Amino acid sequence: EVQLVESGGGLVKPGGSLRLSCAASGFTFSNAWMSWVRQAPGKGLEWVGRIKRKTDGEATDYAAPVKGRFTISRDDSKKTLYLQMNSLKTEDTAVYYCTVSNGVVDYWGQGTQVTVSS
Amino acid sequence: QLVLTQSPSASASLGASVKLTCTLSSGHTSYAIAWHQQQPEKGPRYLMKLNSDGSHTKGGGIPDRFSGSSSGAERYLTISSLQSEDEADYYCQTWGTGIVVFGGGTKLTVL
Repeated sequence: EVQLVESGGGLVKPGGSLRLSCAASGFTFSNAWMSWVRQAPGKGLEWVGRIKRKTDGEATDYAAPVKGRFTISRDDSKKTLYLQMNSLKTEDTAVYYCTVSNGVVDYWGQGTQVTVSS
Repeated sequence: QLVLTQSPSASASLGASVKLTCTLSSGHTSYAIAWHQQQPEKGPRYLMKLNSDGSHTKGGGIPDRFSGSSSGAERYLTISSLQSEDEADYYCQTWGTGIVVFGGGTKLTVL
């Protein structure tokens, strides 16, 4: 059974940093492209960014609102995905979901809440 | 620009059928999409991948009541024999070079 368990969310002040983690199990993590997707309160789903597998160079892509501030990385030995968030803004407040996304987003984690507020 | 358009809301009666629509932007009408369901206060769940020819592959445990079809730029999700637990937000999603895109979602109310 595929499991994606996010952690690291919390309350942070504007301009601060936070690192989210996603522990994966139940599938071959090293073969998967992985994405982060977020959902602001009362809003729809918004793609944050993606990292490809090692054989695809671990290339990353980001949505415009987070480019230059957020960094996605992975540790295949630990089967863990990361999202480093810097220069956080109030509009980054959302539930952040870890997903398996080889094109189609076909598995979702349960999400972790990030609140950016002074 | 790759964009998915969904109606904000839909409603249908218990036991009836409903067809939700997702429209691909011009120049992207051959793209496959995925449908996702988000029940109230829960995380999203993958329902199916839907190709331009209407063929679809459902996720594990998705009931037969859920089906997909396509016509031109339109991608459809049909839910038959509506149940109360089908009341949820439904999102379509697609992808391109360096990008993943979600539609704005349709809130389905089961009357």
